[in-house]
Amino acid sequence: EVQLLESGGDLVQPGGSLRLSCAASGFTFSNYAMSWVRQAPGKGLEWVSGISESGYSTYYADSVKGRFIISRDNSKNTLSLQMDSLGADDTAVYYCAKRGAPKTVMVDAFETWGQGTTVTVSS
Amino acid sequence: SYILTQSPSVSVSPGQTITITCSGDKLGDKYVYWYQQKPGPSPNLVIYRDNQRPSGIPERFSASNSGNTATLTISGTQAMDEADYYCQAWDKDAAIFGGGTRLTVL
Repeated sequence: EVQLLESGGDLVQPGGSLRLSCAASGFTFSNYAMSWVRQAPGKGLEWVSGISESGYSTYYADSVKGRFIISRDNSKNTLSLQMDSLGADDTAVYYCAKRGAPKTVMVDAFETWGQGTTVTVSS
Repeated sequence: SYILTQSPSVSVSPGQTITITCSGDKLGDKYVYWYQQKPGPSPNLVIYRDNQRPSGIPERFSASNSGNTATLTISGTQAMDEADYYCQAWDKDAAIFGGGTRLTVL
C-alpha cells in the first residue's frame, strides 16, 4: 500500500524556520516526482514546491521562492521541505503529494496524498 | 501568473446532475485534473487528463475541457459526493489550483 506520512509541523514564531519531512513507503520512491501542497485554514489548495525523481530539478511557487528548499533522499525514501523566514501567510496544513508514474498518462496527476502536517506561524 | 477560477459553491438535490466549472485562459490547451476533498481527509484525485477516471472512481463522475472552460459533471449525485472540488492544471512547471467549489447535496 502506498503511504505518505508527513511530520515536522509545529508552532513557530514569525521569522522562524521549520523542516518538514515526508516518509514514503509502498512504492519505489526514486521513480516518482513529488510535491508539497498546502492549505491555509478554511482556504483552498496551493502548490508550494516540486522535485524531480532524481532531485536534480526543483520548482517553487513565487510565494515561497527564496525561502523554502525542497529536497529528497532516495536512499531513505524521504521528501523534505526546509522553510525559512516564515510568516503568518505560511500557516497551513502541508501535504506531501506523489505524482503519477513517469511516461504514463498519470505522470502529471497528484495521485496520492499524505494526511498532512500543520504549520502555525504565530507569536 | 496563471489563474484558474471556480464558483465558490453549488448545491444539488440527491439524484440530480451537477456541473462544476473551472475557467482559465486557453485552458483547453492544458490538461485539467480534478480533486475531491471531504472534511478532514486529504484531497483525492477523481479525474486526470481532462476526462479520465482513476480506478475506483464511480462512473457518475465525468469531465471535459475545451476553450477556456473545464467542467466536472456528477450524474445522479449522492450524499457522499458532498465535498470541495478543485481543478488543477500545470503552467510552466508549476501546479495551479482553482479556488475550489463546495458542493452541497441538499
